[in-house]
Amino acid sequence: EIVMMQSPATLSVSPGERATLSCRASQSVSSNLAWYQQKPGQAPRLLIYGASTRATGIPARFSGSGSGTEFTLTISSLQSEDFAVYYCQQYNNWPPVTFGGGTKVEIK
Amino acid sequence: QVQLQESGPGLVKPSQTLSLTCTVSGGSISSGSYYWSWIRQPAGKGLEWIGRIYTSGSTNYNPSLKSRVTISVDTSKNQFSLKLSSVTAADTAVYYCARGDYYDPTTLGYFDLWGRGTLVTVSS
Repeated sequence: EIVMMQSPATLSVSPGERATLSCRASQSVSSNLAWYQQKPGQAPRLLIYGASTRATGIPARFSGSGSGTEFTLTISSLQSEDFAVYYCQQYNNWPPVTFGGGTKVEIK
Repeated sequence: QVQLQESGPGLVKPSQTLSLTCTVSGGSISSGSYYWSWIRQPAGKGLEWIGRIYTSGSTNYNPSLKSRVTISVDTSKNQFSLKLSSVTAADTAVYYCARGDYYDPTTLGYFDLWGRGTLVTVSS
């Protein structure tokens, strides 16, 4: 089973600033990585798949990069609605697909 | 637009079987090349994939749960279901149904549509 590790666990950012979230896989997952956003009491929402492709309706301020074992989600200018928990998910080696432990982006 | 809605008991006794249904509305469960999954999340914790099913009935399960899980589909009702047997307190979680999509059939893919989730508590 591939282990996904996210860092930092919590990221404190001021509105309008850039946020950079990291996700590391215990072995290569090629570009088969997705990012999700989850707000309290809500289901996760797909942001990025294929490591860098934005899902339908996702604003351009969200971007993904990386391949192999190292991935990054960047939010270029944080808006109030972006404060949430973010998860990465690999779908290259399965079963099972696996998720990271999450990064909470909070208001600084 | 397509929506997913989970339903089922919110309380299950230890050693019994958890049963949930996901109803797909706004579109046919059989349209496209999608598959249908269950994912759970214990309170304050991360996400765990349980398994998936195609409308053909083909299934894949998380090896850690495989001995206790059954996922089935009823295309006539536009529904798919989860059964998890011999539950313990460790199975207490919010259970989500989700639609899976992929661009490479050798991968399992990602989840582009989710239900709102339903909390299932295992307690006597």
